[in-house]
Amino acid sequence: GAGVSQSPRYKVTKRGQDVALRCDPISGHVSLYWYRQALGQGPEFLTYFNYEAQQDKSGLPNDRFSAERPEGSISTLTIQRTEQRDSAMYRCASSPGMGGLNTEAFFGQGTRLTVV
Amino acid sequence: DQQVKQNSPSLSVQEGRISILNCDYTNSMFDYFLWYKKYPAEGPTFLISISSIKDKNEDGRFTVFLNKSAKHLSLHIVPSQPGDSAVYFCAASASLSGSARQLTFGSGTQLTVLP
Repeated sequence: GAGVSQSPRYKVTKRGQDVALRCDPISGHVSLYWYRQALGQGPEFLTYFNYEAQQDKSGLPNDRFSAERPEGSISTLTIQRTEQRDSAMYRCASSPGMGGLNTEAFFGQGTRLTVV
Repeated sequence: DQQVKQNSPSLSVQEGRISILNCDYTNSMFDYFLWYKKYPAEGPTFLISISSIKDKNEDGRFTVFLNKSAKHLSLHIVPSQPGDSAVYFCAASASLSGSARQLTFGSGTQLTVLP
């Protein structure tokens, strides 16, 4: 597709369940980022990949959160044993390059996760 | 500890006038700054950016000013149009050798341009 695609758009899950959020970046984009956005706040960095390699996961809040991008394209963010505080908009973004000054990130529409 | 701050949650401006959105940062390692615009139910979209080696970047109706000594940047929209009504996020990144640029975002300013 032309843009970053995320699925599902909305996810309601019961506390304690695992969820997997999918991101399909713009074709050919090297870098893929995951952000989390609470209501009324800006996106907060979670982790990112260059190709299939996870470069930085310092933003992941705890070990219940993990991400993978096994073939350097689609990525999955997995949250195990979800808690209510995990409820947020999860945004994926991709950019064409690995650095430099012209690698603005393109964002998807996000997945709204609600843990009940 | 917010490294990027947008202290005005909302701003209303009359159509045709200038909109000025402000952003302050605390991390002196930031060397690249961006503004994103977000419409409801959509992801943020890139608007304009500026490198720390410049103090001004202009693109049509949009101009970003950077004051490094004050750790302050601003986005000017002139003339403002009703279609500019959106949430504007300021973002910053630091140069990490060999790495992609993760962004630190402000909390956003809701701009409303009144017809």
